[in-house]
Amino acid sequence: TQLLEQSPQFLSIQEGENLTVYCNSSSVFSSLQWYRQEPGEGPVLLVTVVTGGEVKKLKRLTFQFGDARKDSSLHITAAQPGDTGLYLCAGVKTSYDKVIFGPGTSLSVIP
Amino acid sequence: NAGVTQTPKFRILKIGQSMTLQCTQDMNHNYMYWYRQDPGMGLKLIYYSVGAGITDKGEVPNGYNVSRSTTEDFPLRLELAAPSQTSVYFCASQPGLAGGYNEQFFGPGTRLTVL
Repeated sequence: TQLLEQSPQFLSIQEGENLTVYCNSSSVFSSLQWYRQEPGEGPVLLVTVVTGGEVKKLKRLTFQFGDARKDSSLHITAAQPGDTGLYLCAGVKTSYDKVIFGPGTSLSVIP
Repeated sequence: NAGVTQTPKFRILKIGQSMTLQCTQDMNHNYMYWYRQDPGMGLKLIYYSVGAGITDKGEVPNGYNVSRSTTEDFPLRLELAAPSQTSVYFCASQPGLAGGYNEQFFGPGTRLTVL
């Protein structure tokens, strides 16, 4: 059983479309992170959210941490082919715990 | 800084063979991790280390061993390779546990096939 669930597992969209991917858990996390992994490379951190209800924006990417700190979402506006990759959410239950990774959402943006 | 480097990038092993996956970081990070990534399964933690001389098991340690003699190096040893160990292996480092901002820095991965 995955402690962190991500949906959808796969997503294929046309360039210019908007999309949202989700990260859900029944557990409370002190912080959640989003990583992007491009084919053939290791994951790279995009953002960390630590406060319930927090919203962070990174250019066309908007990240939200749920009020109860059990879930998070990533919204991409006007997707571009360069957004293609595997999006992983990762959570930490307390400041002294190891990071737990979700299974990822594989995004393909078609030109 | 080179960040986290891993060698080799690709390797094919026969069942029963052994090998060592190398990982080096030049950021003076205390924490280092080994993960394996199988299709659709995300990252599974194999072993981790909180500093030189200290290692501990993760979620899937069976069939693997590690050592941490220096801050920079964290090699992963596979003894008696099995087809179930076919995967992509990632090494990562982290400065420390800083109040929730636990960014991990990943290497480029080693793609291992056991036939």
